Amino acid sequence: EPEVTQTPSHQVTQMGQEVILRCVPISNHLYFYWYRQILGQKVEFLVSFYNNEISEKSEIFDDQFSVERPDGSNFTLKIRSTKLEDSAMYFCASKDNLNTEAFFGQGTRLTVV
Amino acid sequence: KQEVTQIPAALSVPEGENLVLNCSFTDSAIYNLQWFRQDPGKGLTSLLLIQSSQREQTSGRLNASLDKSSGRSTLYIAASQPGDSATYLCAAEGNTPLVFGKGTRLSVIA
Repeated sequence: EPEVTQTPSHQVTQMGQEVILRCVPISNHLYFYWYRQILGQKVEFLVSFYNNEISEKSEIFDDQFSVERPDGSNFTLKIRSTKLEDSAMYFCASKDNLNTEAFFGQGTRLTVV
Repeated sequence: KQEVTQIPAALSVPEGENLVLNCSFTDSAIYNLQWFRQDPGKGLTSLLLIQSSQREQTSGRLNASLDKSSGRSTLYIAASQPGDSATYLCAAEGNTPLVFGKGTRLSVIA
């Protein structure tokens, strides 16, 4: 069964460093998303991406964040200068259509020290 | 702004019991309502998607219903098993991407 794949599963980084979280969405999907979940809190929307551009972003997704689809398979989230409060589980998701089921990856646990 | 609430926050039941998890949302103009399962420290596994034109969806022992006008969805789990122990999340999608509730943590005791 097709699945969304995220790497790495766990990343530890020092405050102020740049991190890139990687995702391989399901191959025929067109809509891509990043969400995050701070420990003990709700899953929160960060950004959606369609047709090679951001379609929507939340207040969390400030200038420190960027997304890219560098080739036909990868979808990345970059945090330019990490802060302690960026520590969270980051989930990538994809859909083939706006009104269909969203499939999530297993997440990347980011720990900023 | 869409808000999603799930009640109860935690639930413990003996094996074999049927149970209902509740989800409410404030903005009824949704396209979809999706239920997920999350095991501790793991990703989100999609269980059921109900589109706005549908009233319910079934998958195995799971049945989800949707009442848009009242802003409610329920997830019914029949004959619960210890392997069903997890956190169950509902999420509503409308003019904004999926908005999640905080989840119901389910423990099924053998």
